[in-house]
Amino acid sequence: NAGVTQTPKFQVLKTGQSMTLQCAQDMNHEYMSWYRQDPGMGLRLIHYSVGAGITDQGEVPNGYNVSRSTTEDFPLRLLSAAPSQTSVYFCASSPPGGARTEAFFGQGTRLTVV
Amino acid sequence: SQQGEEDPQALSIQEGENATMNCSYKTSINNLQWYRQNSGRGLVHLILIRSNEREKHSGRLRVTLDTSKKSSSLLITASRAADTASYFCATSTGGTSYGKLTFGQGTILTVHP
Repeated sequence: NAGVTQTPKFQVLKTGQSMTLQCAQDMNHEYMSWYRQDPGMGLRLIHYSVGAGITDQGEVPNGYNVSRSTTEDFPLRLLSAAPSQTSVYFCASSPPGGARTEAFFGQGTRLTVV
Repeated sequence: SQQGEEDPQALSIQEGENATMNCSYKTSINNLQWYRQNSGRGLVHLILIRSNEREKHSGRLRVTLDTSKKSSSLLITASRAADTASYFCATSTGGTSYGKLTFGQGTILTVHP
């Protein structure tokens, strides 16, 4: 019962570096999404996908890229890290109905950009 | 801007007491969901209430929804120390088949033994 798995759990980057946050789910969910959580801000949607090959922007997409080549994986790429991207990142997946149903969350990746 | 606003931001109670958290939102919704987050962990879904429902129960949880006031409340009865966590409301909006989920800022609940 792995559910949604995120790697790494912690990461420190230097300004300007790039990296990919990994997200995998084993529930055969079509809908997957990425959020960032900042103190006092709740969770904000970065990007989401409604199936393999289909992605769309959320509320705060700038500085991030996504792709969805398989149903299971939905990686989030930081192109050129900035201190403003210091945050906790959560990946989630949902059964048919997407955001109209419950979301299953990973344990998060805590990213620090120095 | 945030769709959901939660009140209070923090709540401290004794074990055995009831805890009530409120959520207000701005636009029409498909449904409203409540999630729990233990410190440093991912969010866990608690309960979903559809826009045509007024009240829903799950164990010690009771959720109400008033679409005319664009507000919801989460009641946890007979709280336990293990209920200590952050609680978030999330509104599902959008006319597509998959919608979009928008989270509030959360209420930090502390239950003292």
